[in-house]
Amino acid sequence: EPEVTQTPSHQVTQMGQEVILRCVPISNHLYFYWYRQILGQKVEFLVSFYNNEISEKSEIFDDQFSVERPDGSNFTLKIRSTKLEDSAMYFCASSDSSDSSYEQYFGPGTRLTVT
Amino acid sequence: GQSLEQPSEVTAVEGAIVQINCTYQTSGFYGLSWYQQHDGGAPTFLSYNALDGLEETGRFSSFLSRSDSYGYLLLQELQMKDSASYFCAVVGTALIFGKGTTLSVSS
Repeated sequence: EPEVTQTPSHQVTQMGQEVILRCVPISNHLYFYWYRQILGQKVEFLVSFYNNEISEKSEIFDDQFSVERPDGSNFTLKIRSTKLEDSAMYFCASSDSSDSSYEQYFGPGTRLTVT
Repeated sequence: GQSLEQPSEVTAVEGAIVQINCTYQTSGFYGLSWYQQHDGGAPTFLSYNALDGLEETGRFSSFLSRSDSYGYLLLQELQMKDSASYFCAVVGTALIFGKGTTLSVSS
């Protein structure tokens, strides 16, 4: 069964450093998403991406964040200057159409620890 | 703004039936989805309601009342493996999740 993959599984970085989180969505999916989950809290929407541009972003997704689809398979989230409060699990998700955005397939997540 | 309310914790025994309620306030509502998450792992899709009424998928069912801004997830014949967090999520132009309900199933 196809699945969303994410690398790395765990990333430790120092405050102020840049990190890039990588995702490979399911191959025939067209809509891509990033979410974050601070430990013990709810899953929070960050951004959705379609046709090589951002479809929607939340208030969390400020200027320190950016997303890119550098090639036909990868989807990345860059955090430019990490802060302690960026420590969270970051999930990538994909869906095959806007009509099925209710059913998103999530990757296993990248745990980001900012020290 | 958007808000979803669901109970923080529910406990039950194997074989029982449990209902997890979700009330929401939102704009741009297309429907209500339910996701399961084990131990901080990947959320997995369980069910979706776009219209009022009951949707049944095996042991899990989900209900929606748009006029009441209310839905629930019904889990029947509970098993130990159902111990997890369950999130309702409003489907609009993005998925907006509730805070989750931790279900603990004991023998």
